[in-house]
Amino acid sequence: GAVVSQHPSWVICKSGTSVKIECRSLDFQATTMFWYRQFPKQSLMLMATSNEGSKATYEQGVEKDKFLINHASLTLSTLTVTSAHPEDSSFYICSARRDYTDTQYFGPGTRLTVL
Amino acid sequence: QKEVEQNSGPLSVPEGAIASLNCTYSDRVSQSFFWYRQYSGKSPELIMSIYSNGDKEDGRFTAQLNKASQYVSLLIRDSQPSDSATYLCAAYSGGGADGLTFGKGTHLIIQP
Repeated sequence: GAVVSQHPSWVICKSGTSVKIECRSLDFQATTMFWYRQFPKQSLMLMATSNEGSKATYEQGVEKDKFLINHASLTLSTLTVTSAHPEDSSFYICSARRDYTDTQYFGPGTRLTVL
Repeated sequence: QKEVEQNSGPLSVPEGAIASLNCTYSDRVSQSFFWYRQYSGKSPELIMSIYSNGDKEDGRFTAQLNKASQYVSLLIRDSQPSDSATYLCAAYSGGGADGLTFGKGTHLIIQP
């Protein structure tokens, strides 16, 4: 149990386009999901906390209008990178916290390359 | 500011030996601690969680927690080359919507 999927696993897009990444908890409910970004050889950086049915909470320095988060159900959160630029190229990883626990399970990640 | 500190390494251990990974945290109210393993280019994979002072064993892995010293460790017995990875320590301080605070990770190399 405790499987989290992400789609797509990788995406290449042109500068100025928008990209949507989906994060699903396949076998458990997750009222709270998290979005992280990881640049090469660096640690995970929390971007935002996504709560089902309410607005996401963004970390300091993360533009909420650029990284749109929607948590439409107890098993699905989406991250949309709007007007992507080359500096947005990174490894985006979601995690889902199983309801009534402290434990987060990570998705496999989405590698975004913006040309 | 919540912080989790880890030695970045690399930590080199011969195959079959015990690998010892350490972590300290700054937030005294932290209540849950996690060790994740991350292979290069992959996302983190949960290895163990620990909530109470003392040791917790799971197969070749033992997590140790000392809340008085704000110290968490992970021991890997009978180290295998496949254990070579970056190990991330994370702390959770509660508060419902808060995410985990991660250390920068320790790069572990198991030498055949």
